[in-house]
Amino acid sequence: EIVMTQTPLSLPVTPGEPASISCRSSQSLLDSTDGFTYLDWYLQKPGQSPQLLIYTVSYRASGVPDRFTGSGSGTDFTLKISRVEAEDVGVYYCMHRIDFPWTFGQGTKVEIK
Amino acid sequence: VQLVQSGPEVKKPGASVKVSCKASGYTLSSFYMHWVRQAPGQGPAWMGIINPSGDTTTYAQKFQGRVTMTRDTSTSTVYMELSKLTSEDTAVYYCAGSESTGSNDPFDLWGQGTLVIVSS
Repeated sequence: EIVMTQTPLSLPVTPGEPASISCRSSQSLLDSTDGFTYLDWYLQKPGQSPQLLIYTVSYRASGVPDRFTGSGSGTDFTLKISRVEAEDVGVYYCMHRIDFPWTFGQGTKVEIK
Repeated sequence: VQLVQSGPEVKKPGASVKVSCKASGYTLSSFYMHWVRQAPGQGPAWMGIINPSGDTTTYAQKFQGRVTMTRDTSTSTVYMELSKLTSEDTAVYYCAGSESTGSNDPFDLWGQGTLVIVSS
């Protein structure tokens, strides 16, 4: 199975400042049959179910603010928050869905300094 | 659109648990559904997928032989049954799916989660 590795695991942030999370996969997430790269980002706020932020590397899910940006290719991916707000705290997970089993990263806990 | 799951369960080691997930405002029978679990303090783990008609499932190897996913199209409900429970199965179990009809779509819909505690 594909192993997803996130860094850092903990990220203290100052409101208004940018933040960045990295995700690396143990093999390429590029599907050669359709050209799409199947990497998504989820945010799990305290006490809630995960919610979709970014899908297929860089597409924002419905209602997601444009301060969230996903990028990357192949095996290396990044989620950036341009200006962190208090409501952005929680645990961020990357997840691949190129083949079964879909697997998640360990999570990056974002908290306000 | 909501996915509403059944309530918390407490089970003894060796027992089975069956968790349900019912769609509200959504025709569940048209969509692939997944189950994901999250053990305390850990990240989510994908368990498997069931197709719209309920006749095809794919399970993570970790759960093969112990998990069964089914669906009742008449009630727009999907089920996940896990047998031979051990304390390591203590977790929150989520149903998850998409408002799109593909088998490879991201999870833009999640149930509220069902806590399963396995304890003697």
